[in-house]
Amino acid sequence: GNSVTQMEGPVTLSEEAFLTINCTYTATGYPSLFWYVQYPGEGLQLLLKATKADDKGSNKGFEATYRKETTSFHLEKGSVQVSDSAVYFCARRTKTNNNDMRFGAGTRLTVKP
Amino acid sequence: ETGVTQSPTHLIKTRGQQVTLRCSSQSGHNTVSWYQQALGQGPQFIFQYYREEENGRGNFPPRFSGLQFPNYSSELNVNALELDDSALYLCASSLLAGGADTQYFGPGTRLTVL
Repeated sequence: GNSVTQMEGPVTLSEEAFLTINCTYTATGYPSLFWYVQYPGEGLQLLLKATKADDKGSNKGFEATYRKETTSFHLEKGSVQVSDSAVYFCARRTKTNNNDMRFGAGTRLTVKP
Repeated sequence: ETGVTQSPTHLIKTRGQQVTLRCSSQSGHNTVSWYQQALGQGPQFIFQYYREEENGRGNFPPRFSGLQFPNYSSELNVNALELDDSALYLCASSLLAGGADTQYFGPGTRLTVL
């Protein structure tokens, strides 16, 4: 089965609303965790990452904290903008075991003005 | 700094044929990974090459094979194409092979198998 499970979309929010996209993972050891974003018509871009427990990744107002006890890496943003409309992918990468990188299925976010 | 590029952009093949997709890594990166992204799904890891050697592989059959060249460009070869191989194929390069390193993705090649 998939090693990364993220909240199913689509998610539709009004501008300035609070965003949470849940992500949980399974892995042996201590993987690195990532959030990637795919804007319409573009390739995957790294949004933020965390490499060890309790690390907080942040970028462009987005944050996610590496929670080892709950094996989670939920993405949050306090006030979304129309320009945040995109598909968001949670991913984990093991530091052993062939550097296996696993992605979630993606969550489509639409922000309306 | 040149980003990751892939060619061709789109490709149409028929079942049973063979295909080669190409990727040029970001300057200075010696690690490249390939992914398959079916419509509406997240990317699935195919394999990774580090300094011209395969050093990681996902759950894909041997008819998916690859090469990495001394200039760190790469190819993905798929033999005996099946309808389910229709997908977006993504290449990503990174400076290091380690798990914490950031991967930079190319725009992908859209393969359609008829």
